[in-house]
Amino acid sequence: NAGVTQTPKFQVLKTGQSMTLQCAQDMNHEYMSWYRQDPGMGLRLIHYSVGAGITDQGEVPNGYNVSRSTTEDFPLRLLSAAPSQTSVYFCASSSTGDEQFFGPGTRLTVL
Amino acid sequence: SQQGEEDPQALSIQEGENATMNCSYKTSINNLQWYRQNSGRGLVHLILIRSNEREKHSGRLRVTLDTSKKSSSLLITASRAADTASYFCATDARDESQGNLIFGKGTKLSVKP
Repeated sequence: NAGVTQTPKFQVLKTGQSMTLQCAQDMNHEYMSWYRQDPGMGLRLIHYSVGAGITDQGEVPNGYNVSRSTTEDFPLRLLSAAPSQTSVYFCASSSTGDEQFFGPGTRLTVL
Repeated sequence: SQQGEEDPQALSIQEGENATMNCSYKTSINNLQWYRQNSGRGLVHLILIRSNEREKHSGRLRVTLDTSKKSSSLLITASRAADTASYFCATDARDESQGNLIFGKGTKLSVKP
């Protein structure tokens, strides 16, 4: 099993550009989440999903959209990138909502 | 807002010593988890302790939970240089949807050979 995969690993955007961060898991997990990690801030939850077709907002959802059309995929869309969205983004999945399996992360810089 | 707060923010010890990290949280929880993050990598789950448990062991790891004080500790015994990483606690708040974990800011552990 590949586990949780994220693409791209690195991305540089200009302010106002849009992009989609991809996340996929091959463990048939129902729960998937997106976090951002900023220096000294730990991880903050952006959006999460408890199953295909179901998504909900986390602590810092503004500026981000998600959808969950399949169990495997949970893309995160930045609609109009801002410098404040410069961060490392982690996707995670879980079968029970407890133990989470994390992807390797996407390092995003917005100029 | 951050649910968990780890203490200390940074810890430097010699190989073979024990390392203790603490976590405090604000609201009632279903469970508390500890994760490890090596530099530049994703988080790896270490151990989960449920709200009705007081202590749990896994290899060189020992976790305690005191729900009356809303605090937990992670003890790593006989530390190794490979234990150098950041350690995070995460709580699954009782009044939140399952899967909605809230992480603390982490303790950065450095183990010197």
